[in-house]
Amino acid sequence: DAKTTQPTSMDCAEGRAANLPCNHSTISGNEYVYWYRQIHSQGPQYIIHGLKNNETNEMASLIITEDRKSSTLILPHATLRDTAVYYCIVRGYTGTASKLTFGTGTRLQVTL
Amino acid sequence: DTGVSQNPRHKITKRGQNVTFRCDPISEHNRLYWYRQTLGQGPEFLTYFQNEAQLEKSRLLSDRFSAERPKGSFSTLEIQRTEQGDSAMYLCASSSPGLAGAGVTKETQYFGPGTRLLVL
Repeated sequence: DAKTTQPTSMDCAEGRAANLPCNHSTISGNEYVYWYRQIHSQGPQYIIHGLKNNETNEMASLIITEDRKSSTLILPHATLRDTAVYYCIVRGYTGTASKLTFGTGTRLQVTL
Repeated sequence: DTGVSQNPRHKITKRGQNVTFRCDPISEHNRLYWYRQTLGQGPEFLTYFQNEAQLEKSRLLSDRFSAERPKGSFSTLEIQRTEQGDSAMYLCASSSPGLAGAGVTKETQYFGPGTRLLVL
């Protein structure tokens, strides 16, 4: 699976959009970009995933560049409850196993 | 709530004791994963089941660790002769495969709340 690079930490004011970047320059054609977040002492929570088109759901939007070497997770109106560690994961299909390889993620702090 | 559940949520044990954790996946999910997370790190893959078959094990899964999923539903993870280095959060996730065409998976893993183990 391709390696990802994320900033260690970011701050965002409540009510503003939080834009979390992720670099995955070695991504290959059949690898998806997944985003999970982990609020303190809880299990990771799935947010969104995409292959090459931009995706949006009730939680967030995922913007993937045309060359697929980077992506941005957008939380449109961040709240204090969005304070968490956000993980960007690139995962391919290996036939049977499809484990997730987590990095250290981006710690997002939403402030008043 | 029909999410992934794990029991116990917390476990404190003395070095050398055996411990067992249980994971109940989302009912229609045939894949089940175990991960381990130490402080300040992201979760690390341990092992994976498809139905009752254990299909992959990480090198992190030493011979003191054993996982089972006897009927393809719930799973147990046992650690024998615990060591202080086993202190961590043990996470379970489940999924069902979803093909997006051309063999590319859209599988999404859903995690439980984890079992936090402290070995004294």
